[in-house]
Amino acid sequence: NAGVMQNPRHLVRRRGQEARLRCSPMKGHSHVYWYRQLPEEGLKFMVYLQKENIIDESGMPKERFSAEFPKEGPSILRIQQVVRGDSAAYFCASSPPVTGGNYEQYFGPGTRLTVT
Amino acid sequence: SQKIEQNSEALNIQEGKTATLTCNYTNYSPAYLQWYRQDPGRGPVFLLLIRENEKEKRKERLKVTFDTTLKQSLFHITASQPADSATYLCAPSSGGYQKVTFGIGTKLQVIP
Repeated sequence: NAGVMQNPRHLVRRRGQEARLRCSPMKGHSHVYWYRQLPEEGLKFMVYLQKENIIDESGMPKERFSAEFPKEGPSILRIQQVVRGDSAAYFCASSPPVTGGNYEQYFGPGTRLTVT
Repeated sequence: SQKIEQNSEALNIQEGKTATLTCNYTNYSPAYLQWYRQDPGRGPVFLLLIRENEKEKRKERLKVTFDTTLKQSLFHITASQPADSATYLCAPSSGGYQKVTFGIGTKLQVIP
């Protein structure tokens, strides 16, 4: 059973370009979470999605950022018109529907975005 | 606002000793609390979950306690090994749809 997959692992964008980060959850997982981690800082929650639905996007900036988790295919985190402050590691996590009180999340390896 | 505090400074410990990491939270009533391990350049890995009605949880050399009165969780690694060197993240949650907030983490260095 493959783990959570993220691609690309490293992404370099110039200011003003768009960044698209992809996340394929573990097989059987229908919940996806995106986090951002700046150097020497903690993981910051951005958005929580289930298939075709955004459940909580309270941690996501209102402008330039969007996320989706379509019925088919990976979850996408999209950052438009990137700025230097968007440089960070972006982690995706997935979990199955909660059963038996299991709440653990499985994280991908992350995408390191560098904006030049 | 909700706040999670972990030792922001690194914790250095001699191999074989017990490492104890602290997680304090305020303005929170978490239904459960998770601990994760994160190695440099990698995503966090789940270690243990403890619920509010549990005082203690163990897994091999790991032990977690949860004191809802003190609003604190302690994470212990007994007989520590250099391979235990990593950053350990505390993540309390109120439950529901599983929104989890992570602490900044404590960097543990086990010295041979």
